[in-house]
Amino acid sequence: QKEVEQNSGPLSVPEGAIASLNCTYSDRGSQSFFWYRQYSGKSPELIMFIYSNGDKEDGRFTAQLNKASQYVSLLIRDSQPSDSATYLCAVHGSSNTGKLIFGQGTTLQVKP
Amino acid sequence: GAVVSQHPSWVICKSGTSVKIECRSLDFQATTMFWYRQFPKQSLMLMATSNEGSKATYEQGVEKDKFLINHASLTLSTLTVTSAHPEDSSFYICSAVEGWGYEQYFGPGTRLTVT
Repeated sequence: QKEVEQNSGPLSVPEGAIASLNCTYSDRGSQSFFWYRQYSGKSPELIMFIYSNGDKEDGRFTAQLNKASQYVSLLIRDSQPSDSATYLCAVHGSSNTGKLIFGQGTTLQVKP
Repeated sequence: GAVVSQHPSWVICKSGTSVKIECRSLDFQATTMFWYRQFPKQSLMLMATSNEGSKATYEQGVEKDKFLINHASLTLSTLTVTSAHPEDSSFYICSAVEGWGYEQYFGPGTRLTVT
């Protein structure tokens, strides 16, 4: 079992719709969770991080964390073609090394 | 804030030569920097963790004698690919952590092509 799992996609949504990206992790002691966006040929860009159970909203983005289910998600409202990218879920595990464990990423396609 | 730069952005070198890549945190001090490698259509692969003033910690399977890392100051870490071969061609990305936080801020990456 991979430490951080994401559906590789592609996830295709129409413009204006809500895109839902999901991620599960295996280390129950994980404390911090991050979502990065990566455009083709570019490096990852931090979108959001979440530490506590529940929802965290930032503009069109909402991160949701459920530690009991070891599940973290990212919702993108009013999806735009410019949101088309690969979204990486990253987890800061319980080892306290500062390392992030990345999922394989989900490719999102927003169609006009 | 939290800007990380890398230099060069791309480099082409001949097989057998060495290449140095710089990673700088421009507006904050980074006690820890990370070096990643990414092959096409794959996720990031952590190569090593670099802490200022100490030896880098390499991930399993990464040759420390081939990928030399030096974290000389709180704003600069370098990765030197020694005796590069075509299979070392990849996208190398660094990230930096501000202070004792957990968020990693990524540099723009360096695309290395070894001919």
